[in-house]
Amino acid sequence: KAGVTQTPRYLIKTRGQQVTLSCSPISGHRSVSWYQQTPGQGLQFLFEYFSETQRNKGNFPGRFSGRQFSNSRSEMNVSTLELGDSALYLCASSPQGSPGELFFGEGSRLTVL
Amino acid sequence: TQLLEQSPQFLSIQEGENLTVYCNSSSVFSSLQWYRQEPGEGPVLLVTVVTGGEVKKLKRLTFQFGDARKDSSLHITAAQPGDTGLYLCAGDYNQGGKLIFGQGTELSVKP
Repeated sequence: KAGVTQTPRYLIKTRGQQVTLSCSPISGHRSVSWYQQTPGQGLQFLFEYFSETQRNKGNFPGRFSGRQFSNSRSEMNVSTLELGDSALYLCASSPQGSPGELFFGEGSRLTVL
Repeated sequence: TQLLEQSPQFLSIQEGENLTVYCNSSSVFSSLQWYRQEPGEGPVLLVTVVTGGEVKKLKRLTFQFGDARKDSSLHITAAQPGDTGLYLCAGDYNQGGKLIFGQGTELSVKP
């Protein structure tokens, strides 16, 4: 079974730009979560989608948004990038009935200059 | 605000030594997970504990869940260089896919 796939793996943007990250979950997993990982704050929850609906949202500004498609693939978007948005963005999928058991992708490393 | 305190933050030991990592919260978890992350990769799930007092073993790793389901520990026996990595505990407060992660324990095992 293929794992969680995230694209792109690395990207560099400048302040004020926007970015879209993509995530393909494990086949059969309908829940997709996004996390931001930084050295100072660790892993912080961004949002979670299930069957195209956002079920949970973390404490991030409205510049961070996401969506999920009918095939469970998900995207997240960050607009008006700030230097502090530099981070590893991790996507995870989980099987139904095991909400705490997350299967992570390798992440998208975003650098904002 | 739910917080998960993980200690120690850094641990550097020699091959063959034993170690314990702790994870504590003031809130009750519906379940708790331990993950391990290597540089350049996403966290990998090691174990899930659900029942208070539960003990699970994974080769040289022993995981305990506190009776009150507010704390957990990870004990590694006879650590090996291959155990090097970032160990993360994560609490599920019954909020779907939203987990609260501890800050992590950076473990370095020297040969």
